[in-house]
Amino acid sequence: AQSVTQPDIHITVSEGASLELRCNYSYGATPYLFWYVQSPGQGLQLLLKYFSGDTLVQGIKGFEAEFKRSQSSFNLRKPSVHWSDAAEYFCAVVTDSNYQLIWGAGTKLIIKP
Amino acid sequence: NAGVTQTPKFQVLKTGQSMTLQCAQDMNHNSMYWYRQDPGMGLRLIYYSASEGTTDKGEVPDGYNVSRLKKQNFLLGLESAAPSQTSVYFCASSYGSSGLSTDTQYFGPGTRLTVL
Repeated sequence: AQSVTQPDIHITVSEGASLELRCNYSYGATPYLFWYVQSPGQGLQLLLKYFSGDTLVQGIKGFEAEFKRSQSSFNLRKPSVHWSDAAEYFCAVVTDSNYQLIWGAGTKLIIKP
Repeated sequence: NAGVTQTPKFQVLKTGQSMTLQCAQDMNHNSMYWYRQDPGMGLRLIYYSASEGTTDKGEVPDGYNVSRLKKQNFLLGLESAAPSQTSVYFCASSYGSSGLSTDTQYFGPGTRLTVL
C-alpha cells in the first residue's frame, strides 16, 4: 500500500535560519506530490505541488521542494524562516491507483525568536 | 468570498447521539471532500463528492453518511456517535468535477468533535 512518511514530528529552528522538512513516500511509480500548511486554528493551504518536469518546484511564501526519484523523497525547504512560518506542514501524494490524497502525519515547525 | 465554511466549530456529543456537520463553499467548486484528522496521523478521507448529487466512499466511511443536494453544500452525518469518532473534521473543495485530488483543495477551518 502507498504511504507517506514525515520522519520529524516537530522541528525547532531559529528565526532567519534555513529549514528543511523531510518527506518520503512508498510507491512504485512517480506519484503526484504536494505540501500543505496548516496554521494554528485554520484549515490547510496548498504550498506547492509536483506533477512532472523540473524536479525543483517553487511555491508560495518563499518555499520550494525538490523531488528526488532515487530517494523517493520530496523535501520542503526555505532559506530563511519567519516567525509567521510556525505551523504544521503536511506532505501528501496522489497515486494513479485511486487518485485520492494520502497524507503524512505532519511536522510541526516551531520558530525560536 | 468566504471560501469554505464549516459549522459548528466545536461540538460535544454523547455516545449514540446523532448530528450533522455542515460545509459550504462559495467558489463554485464541483468537488467536495470530508476528512478527519487524528493526533499523530495524517488526514483520512471519509467521503467525497465529484458533483452535485453524487458521493463516493473514501478510506474511512463506516459510521458516517453524506449528502450533496446542492452544489455549494456537503453535509456529513454521524448516525450513532461513538468515542472513536472523536476527531477534527475538515471539509475541502476543489474546482475539478472528477473528484480527483490532483486539483488544489481548499479547506475549511475544521470542526472539533468530542464524543463522550
